[in-house]
Amino acid sequence: KQEVTQIPAALSVPEGENLVLNCSFTDSAIYNLQWFRQDPGKGLTSLLLIQSSQREQTSGRLNASLDKSSGRSTLYIAASQPGDSATYLCAPTTGRGGADGLTFGKGTHLIIQP
Amino acid sequence: NAGVTQTPKFRILKIGQSMTLQCTQDMNHNYMYWYRQDPGMGLKLIYYSVGAGITDKGEVPNGYNVSRSTTEDFPLRLELAAPSQTSVYFCASRSTTGGKLFFGSGTQLSVL
Repeated sequence: KQEVTQIPAALSVPEGENLVLNCSFTDSAIYNLQWFRQDPGKGLTSLLLIQSSQREQTSGRLNASLDKSSGRSTLYIAASQPGDSATYLCAPTTGRGGADGLTFGKGTHLIIQP
Repeated sequence: NAGVTQTPKFRILKIGQSMTLQCTQDMNHNYMYWYRQDPGMGLKLIYYSVGAGITDKGEVPNGYNVSRSTTEDFPLRLELAAPSQTSVYFCASRSTTGGKLFFGSGTQLSVL
C-alpha cells in the first residue's frame, strides 16, 4: 500500500523567501506524481504533474522535482507571495495507467506573511 | 467550461437517512473518482470508475454506493447515514491517458 509523507506539516515565513516542500512515498512504481494546491473551503487545483520518466517540471515560480528511485519529490516556490498561502498536497499515482487513483499526503499548510 | 460540478455544497443529515451526492463533468473524461477529506487525515478514495458501466472500490467504500450510467455523471449514494460519514466529499475526473486530476468544489456533509 502506498504511503505518502509530507514535511513540514506547517510552515510560516515572510514574503520573498524561497521555499522547499518535501514529499516522500513508499512505493516507487508510480505512473506519475502531482502537486496540488487547496485553499480553505475549496477543492484541489493541480499545479504540476510529473511523469515517472521525468525529473522535473516548472510552472512560473513553481518547480517540482522527482526522484522516483528514492521515492521523493520536492516543490520549490521562488520569491513567495502572500497569495501563495494555502495547503499543498503531493499525490503519486500507482496502478494500471493510474486507474485506481492517487494516494494523497496530508499536506503542508503554508502561510506567507506580508 | 464548467469542469467538475458537485451538488449540493452543504447538507445536514440525520442518522439513518439516505442521500445522493451528485457529480457531473463536461470534459469527456473516462476516469472519475470520489474522495472524502477528514481534518488532518488527508484524502481517502471511496470509489472510482474507468468508464460508463464500470466501477470499483477504493480504500474506504463501506457505507457508500456508486453508479456510472453515462460518461458525464458519477453519483455517490449514502445509505443509512452514520456520524462517521461526516466529512467533505470531493468528486474528481481525468482523461483516460492520465494527466491532471480536476476536482469539484466539494460537498460538506454533517450527520447528526
